[in-house]
Amino acid sequence: DAGVIQSPRHEVTEMGQEVTLRCKPISGHNSLFWYRQTMMRGLELLIYFNNNVPIDDSGMPEDRFSAKMPNASFSTLKIQPSEPRDSAVYFCASSPRASRVTNEKLFFGSGTQLSVL
Amino acid sequence: GENVEQHPSTLSVQEGDSAVIKCTYSDSASNYFPWYKQELGKGPQLIIDIRSNVGEKKDQRIAVTLNKTAKHFSLHITETQPEDSAVYFCAAKLFNKFYFGSGTKLNVKP
Repeated sequence: DAGVIQSPRHEVTEMGQEVTLRCKPISGHNSLFWYRQTMMRGLELLIYFNNNVPIDDSGMPEDRFSAKMPNASFSTLKIQPSEPRDSAVYFCASSPRASRVTNEKLFFGSGTQLSVL
Repeated sequence: GENVEQHPSTLSVQEGDSAVIKCTYSDSASNYFPWYKQELGKGPQLIIDIRSNVGEKKDQRIAVTLNKTAKHFSLHITETQPEDSAVYFCAAKLFNKFYFGSGTKLNVKP
């Protein structure tokens, strides 16, 4: 399995521009999470989906942030308009359906390093 | 929500020594506790995990212990090697959400 795939790996943009981050979860996983990592705040959960449905978006910092999951194999995180304080590493992670035998293990992608100038 | 505290924030050990990282959590309903290793420029990778009904789990040189009563869990790495150098995160799962500690930067000196 290729694991969780994120694109782009690096994004440099100017303040005010729209930014779209993309994620392909591991096939068969039914939960998808978007995290933001900064030195100051560590790993913060922004939003998570279960079976393509947003379950909890309480971590989304502002209305400038939005996320979609149109199908089981694709999700986007959009920032519009972007601001310098949005600069961070954004991770997507996916998790399989829990069972009596297995835990809901969380698998991370390699992240997108976003720099907003 | 859950509050996970992790310490130390940095840890430096000599190759071959043991390293211990400790975490506490606040909500007794948390039931799953994974540990992640993050190398520079990469995403966190799961290295070991433990469920709330288990007190200890071992996988070669790494082990995790859980004290449900005290609400704390620890990562133990024995016979450390330079390639163990990385940032380690603990996490607690509460109602399908994962809450992470602030991370420990482990430096293993050859």
